[in-house]
Amino acid sequence: ETGVTQTPRHLVMGMTNKKSLKCEQHLGHNAMYWYKQSAKKPLELMFVYNFKEQTENNSVPSRFSPECPNSSHLFLHLHTLQPEDSALYLCASSPEQGARGTEAFFGQGTRLTVV
Amino acid sequence: ILNVEQSPQSLHVQEGDSTNFTCSFPSSNFYALHWYRWETAKSPEALFVMTLNGDEKKKGRISATLNTKEGYSYLYIKGSQPEDSATYLCAFINNAGNMLTFGGGTRLMVKP
Repeated sequence: ETGVTQTPRHLVMGMTNKKSLKCEQHLGHNAMYWYKQSAKKPLELMFVYNFKEQTENNSVPSRFSPECPNSSHLFLHLHTLQPEDSALYLCASSPEQGARGTEAFFGQGTRLTVV
Repeated sequence: ILNVEQSPQSLHVQEGDSTNFTCSFPSSNFYALHWYRWETAKSPEALFVMTLNGDEKKKGRISATLNTKEGYSYLYIKGSQPEDSATYLCAFINNAGNMLTFGGGTRLMVKP
């Protein structure tokens, strides 16, 4: 248990569906992140939130829409995805932005399949 | 774009073998280098956070070294056990950045 919880663990959605991924941490961390891992590729940063404010958007298409209502919760809203968006989506948190000098804590991820 | 490379991509060893793998990263504006262990169907978990050139860290049979001037870190596992089977990730952050950049990982499989 890392203290970062992601739901759901698995999700299958059609290209016209709207779904949301949820991430929750009660570690008192101020920074939260969404990462994507596609097959045979490194973990790729998508978004960074620091004190509920988005500080990084790594050129992510608008069909992915993040939301951070408070420092403990992070959502990733999904709309009109493509099959190539199928991947493992990982949430992470750290005490300060960038995990500078301290480790990041990860959830177990959501395995997303777009059909 | 920061380039973080790990080698080898995968490694098969016998139980009891010692092994090591490499993470290379940009040597300029270094701030920190992280190592994570990622077992299948679990969360990546931090092994080490290293910030000083010449740093050596150890946790049980696993140790790591850091050379910031030449831009590499080694992870060593002494006497590998089947439970060491996992993907080992390194991640780099520089002075100007606010996010970790990950390498592609080394997948270690230890045969009993």
